[in-house]
Amino acid sequence: QVQLQESGPGLVKPSQTLSLTCIVSGDSISSRSHYWTWIRQPAGKRLEWIGRIYSTGSTNYNPSLKSRVSISVDTSKNQFSLKLSSVTAADTAFYYCARSGLFPEDNYFDPWGQGTQVTVSS
Amino acid sequence: EIVLTQSPGTLSLSPGERATLSCRASQSFSSIYLAWYQQKPGQAPRLLIYGASSRATGIPDRFSGSGSGTDFTLTISRLEPEDFAVYYCQQYGDSVLTFGGGTKVEIK
Repeated sequence: QVQLQESGPGLVKPSQTLSLTCIVSGDSISSRSHYWTWIRQPAGKRLEWIGRIYSTGSTNYNPSLKSRVSISVDTSKNQFSLKLSSVTAADTAFYYCARSGLFPEDNYFDPWGQGTQVTVSS
Repeated sequence: EIVLTQSPGTLSLSPGERATLSCRASQSFSSIYLAWYQQKPGQAPRLLIYGASSRATGIPDRFSGSGSGTDFTLTISRLEPEDFAVYYCQQYGDSVLTFGGGTKVEIK
């Protein structure tokens, strides 16, 4: 079955860049049949869609984060990555990667990775 | 961006009871773009319903979804012990994908 696994530092200093990677198994990013997405959840708050990438490298970002976000893909390693620059305490959250369908009616998220906690603190 | 408001914030029920969760949108959209997720403590959200009423693979038929326009509902016909969790709705009809604030279903 398809599995996603996030990895990256759990602690990032303010003003620095948060970097996470999501390794995909059981599916090929190169198959061009899905979007690959990042979502975050601050403690006690709602889930927030960060952005997504297609295997060709085409991206869509949440306008609220667009100036600071970059999502990239490495098809040779079957993984995709998130970079969020100039972080502040407000970026402290659980970060999830997930897969979604290609067509608008399939843009729900399934499956999800287990998530990783990222804390922004000096 | 479409804002989703879920109610109630917390639902206190006993096993075997029926749960009715609401998700209201700030603007109308097609029901084919509405999903529901279940999240248990320490776990990632799990897809329950997509297209407002289609159950995801492996989801028991006690879970059902309905609604259209701006008002959507998730119903759990008879609560099992494993159903006590937080439930989120999500819309994917807009260019910015958004989630509701969640409803916690707790044991009474």
